[in-house]
Amino acid sequence: AQTVTQSQPEMSVQEAETVTLSCTYDTSENNYYLFWYKQPPSRQMILVIRQEAYKQQNATENRFSVNFQKAAKSFSLKISDSQLGDTAMYFCAFEVSTLTFGKGTMLLVSP
Amino acid sequence: DVKVTQSSRYLVKRTGEKVFLECVQDMDHENMFWYRQDPGLGLRLIYFSYDVKMKEKGDIPEGYSVSREKKERFSLILESASTNQTSMYLCASRPTFRGRLYEQYFGPGTRLTVT
Repeated sequence: AQTVTQSQPEMSVQEAETVTLSCTYDTSENNYYLFWYKQPPSRQMILVIRQEAYKQQNATENRFSVNFQKAAKSFSLKISDSQLGDTAMYFCAFEVSTLTFGKGTMLLVSP
Repeated sequence: DVKVTQSSRYLVKRTGEKVFLECVQDMDHENMFWYRQDPGLGLRLIYFSYDVKMKEKGDIPEGYSVSREKKERFSLILESASTNQTSMYLCASRPTFRGRLYEQYFGPGTRLTVT
């Protein structure tokens, strides 16, 4: 069975700072996909970034980037130049056939 | 934009009632999913469907059933609601894998309270 661990239940950062959310996973599969989803307060879950395990290059989407370490089974999310609108619950997720989510990290961005 | 809608944002039901949660997507996606979200537990997969009239059990199917009579609609049914089914229910959809794995698109959620 696949498991996803997010070790930081809550994090705080000030606007314009950089923050890194950690995620580790456990699997015996070689081909899989990793995702970070964001759920703002009272709003819908949306995709932040995706990484295919067969790609060595780390994915980036504007201010969001990942550090994918396949051997270590680690998939951290870096948010640069944090904005108030980044305040949300962030879920790391892993997929072979169905998505397995971590328990989430609540990120609070303050002025 | 993909739109996934759920029939209710908030729902209060009594123990033992039969409860229907409806989900509709407007992008002709083959795959649809039902999750429940609980604090400290993340999202857990209840049921999913790869196509019309097809259904597969997820990680926590006990106490739930589903129906998919039309491609755009996926219903979650609580046959006899219990207090431990009080939760946030999220529906999601996505296209079938065609050389790439698409992300899932989520609805706004239904917060169900069973008293």
